[in-house]
Amino acid sequence: KAGVTQTPRYLIKTRGQQVTLSCSPISGHRSVSWYQQTPGQGLQFLFEYFSETQRNKGNFPGRFSGRQFSNSRSEMNVSTLELGDSALYLCASSSGPAGDTEAFFGQGTRLTVV
Amino acid sequence: ELKVEQNPLFLSMQEGKNYTIYCNYSTTSDRLYWYRQDPGKSLESLFVLLSNGAVKQEGRLMASLDTKARLSTLHITAAVHDLSATYFCAVNTNAGKSTFGDGTTLTVKP
Repeated sequence: KAGVTQTPRYLIKTRGQQVTLSCSPISGHRSVSWYQQTPGQGLQFLFEYFSETQRNKGNFPGRFSGRQFSNSRSEMNVSTLELGDSALYLCASSSGPAGDTEAFFGQGTRLTVV
Repeated sequence: ELKVEQNPLFLSMQEGKNYTIYCNYSTTSDRLYWYRQDPGKSLESLFVLLSNGAVKQEGRLMASLDTKARLSTLHITAAVHDLSATYFCAVNTNAGKSTFGDGTTLTVKP
């Protein structure tokens, strides 16, 4: 069974640009959650999608958005990038609603904003 | 707002020794997760604790949950170098929103 796949693995962007990250969950999983990990702030919850609906959102500005497609694949978009957006972005998939069932994490996308 | 506190944040121990990592959380929850992260890697699920008094063991690691005390422990028995990693606990209250502790970086020395 394939795991959670995140693409791309590494990304370098310039301030002001926008970026789209992709996450393909484990087959059959309907929930995808996104997290930002930085040395200073640790692991912070961004949002969770379940069956194409955003169920919960963390405390991030509106520049951070996401969506989920009918095949459960999810994308996260960050617009008007800032230096502070440099981080490891992790997605996690669950068979049921996140929190109710075990989460499996992808390898992450390391975003560097210069 | 849910707060999750882990201690210690850094732990250096010798092989063969035992130690416990603590995870305290501030509001009621009956679901707690432990993860392991190796440097530059993603998070690997270790334990899912779903009820008060739950105890799970895998190899040299044992996790327990006391929902009344809002406390979970991760006990390491006879540590080996391969256990060196960062360990996170995570707590869910609002459905779908996990709050992680700051992580405990464990270094096991020969």
